[in-house]
Amino acid sequence: EVQLLESGGGLVQPGGSLRLSCAASGFSFSTQAMTWVRQAPGKGLEWVSSLTGSGSSTDYADSVKGRFTVSRDNSKNTLYLQMNSLSVDDTAIYYCAKSRAGSCYSCALDIWGQGTMVTVSS
Amino acid sequence: DIQMTQSPSSLSASIGDRVTITCRASQGISNYLAWFQQKPGKVPNLLIYGASTLQSGVPSRFSGSGSGTDFTLTISSLQPEDVATYYCQKYNSAPKTFGQGTKVEI
Repeated sequence: EVQLLESGGGLVQPGGSLRLSCAASGFSFSTQAMTWVRQAPGKGLEWVSSLTGSGSSTDYADSVKGRFTVSRDNSKNTLYLQMNSLSVDDTAIYYCAKSRAGSCYSCALDIWGQGTMVTVSS
Repeated sequence: DIQMTQSPSSLSASIGDRVTITCRASQGISNYLAWFQQKPGKVPNLLIYGASTLQSGVPSRFSGSGSGTDFTLTISSLQPEDVATYYCQKYNSAPKTFGQGTKVEI
């Protein structure tokens, strides 16, 4: 069964840092493009970042560029999101999701994790 | 950046009604358009990709159409389990923007 399991969320003060993880199983992770999407409480979905299967190419939303870094460890089947200089506007559920078609970077997201909540508050 | 605009933002319909949701891109995106359903408290679920291809396991009452800038999600006969918020997303290139969502109620 294909599964994505996020972890690492929690309460952090403004200006702080947090690293999210997404453990993948049930598919060939190392060839799969992956994406982070977030959803603030009561709000819509916001695309955050994507990266290719090799991790050599990444993209970021303007709202997180320069503060967030996406990476992966294909030997551990794990995707990461390093979040620095956090603000209250970053409070959200963070989902990881995989591309529908293997290494395809421009493909829809077919499997999503359950999400991990990040709360930025003093 | 390309903006994705959904309409309406919410709608109320009766069981069995035909429901149509529109998504407009500010520039052409060919058919790189997906539709997601998110039920309250749940994870988003892929319904349609490539603007019109039904994801495996999705009921056939859902359909998508369009290309370029104008897209439509149609529920041919609304069911109680279709109460959800629906989102479109462009995925041809970054930023892979979502529409603001359409809340469907009975």
